[in-house]
Order: sequence, then C-alpha cells, then structure tokens
Amino acid sequence: NAGVMQNPRHLVRRRGQEARLRCSPMKGHSHVYWYRQLPEEGLKFMVYLQKENIIDESGMPKERFSAEFPKEGPSILRIQQVVRGDSAAYFCASSPSSVLANTGELFFGEGSRLTVL
Amino acid sequence: TQLLEQSPQFLSIQEGENLTVYCNSSSVFSSLQWYRQEPGEGPVLLVTVVTGGEVKKLKRLTFQFGDARKDSSLHITAAQPGDTGLYLCKGGSEKLVFGKGTKLTVNP
Repeated sequence: NAGVMQNPRHLVRRRGQEARLRCSPMKGHSHVYWYRQLPEEGLKFMVYLQKENIIDESGMPKERFSAEFPKEGPSILRIQQVVRGDSAAYFCASSPSSVLANTGELFFGEGSRLTVL
Repeated sequence: TQLLEQSPQFLSIQEGENLTVYCNSSSVFSSLQWYRQEPGEGPVLLVTVVTGGEVKKLKRLTFQFGDARKDSSLHITAAQPGDTGLYLCKGGSEKLVFGKGTKLTVNP
C-alpha cells in the first residue's frame, strides 16, 4: 500500500498520559500535514512539516502538543498529559512538494482516533 | 485568515434527487479543491479547479469555480446512497484551511 499510513488507528489513554501518533507519508512525498477533527466537524489545521523542519505550526496548541518529521522514519504528533478535550480523530496528509507552491492537493491517511478516559 | 463557508451544513435527501452544495469566501483563491470523507475514513480528493468560471465533471458530480475565484459549487445529479459523506472544500495553496463541510445523507 503506497498510501499515507497512520498508526495506531485507535488509541485509548487516561488523563495525564502521553499519546504518540505516527504518520508515514506516501512514497516520494516529503511534506506532511496534521489535522484534528472533532465529531460532526470539519478538519482543523494543526501543523505543516517538511523533513527536519516545521514550516507552519500556527494551528498547534502552544502547550502539550509537539510534532516532528525526522530525516529517517515517520512523522510523529505527540500529545503530553492528555485531557478529555484531546479526544478526536487526528489525520495526517502528505504532498510531493509544498502545497503553498502548487495547487494544494493533499493525500490523507485514514486517521488515528484518540479517546481520553 | 481566509475563511471558507460551506452550505448547507447538513443535507438529507432521497435517492434520485439532485442537490447543490456551496463553498464561499470573501478571498480570492488561485485554486480550490473538493474532498469527500466517508465515516471512519480520511478525506479523498475529488477535484481541483483552477480557472475562474471553470466547470469540471466527474460522472454525476459537476464542480464549478466562480468567475472571481471566491466561490465554488458542487452539483450532484440523481444522488445515490454511495454519495453519502462529508463534502469539504479547501482553498488551493494559500492556506491549509478547510471549510466545515456539508454532511450529505442520501436515503435509499
């Protein structure tokens, strides 16, 4: 499967624990985007990364959330000390080049659903 | 921030009916995309429109980009239950922002 791969698909955490969500972009894609989606709502942009660089993190909460896209391996969205309000579906998308320089098409994974008890 | 307003927010129709959903903004976009998201899955790109006034057809779906490139519409002819899903628009390359979507339910 050459598509965007996200894991885990489902993650349950208790309040105060850490959640790590992983995203492997499509082959040949070096740009990764993370979005959060609450039930019955649209996609809220969180962060845009290129290999080893954060390009735009304007949608990322200032505390407890961080993201990285190392030279080797998947992109990781990390949520520390999770709270119930963090329960959501987190989607990763990738593109072959910067969407800010072309028509902006994104290819999405199937999402990771975080439930905080 | 370039906001994208989608309407209606919810739409429930019977199989065979026609429908149109809208995506509007006060800003001009160089391009605009429509995505469909089915329950439990990620959004899937349907189309990109680039030129003002452009019309693109994808089987029973017709997409139009406004002349001023500020708005777009999606028309579905003879809707089928398989068209059920959340339809999202995204303004091209300027911002990584989606509209809130139109949740379409087509009842058999």
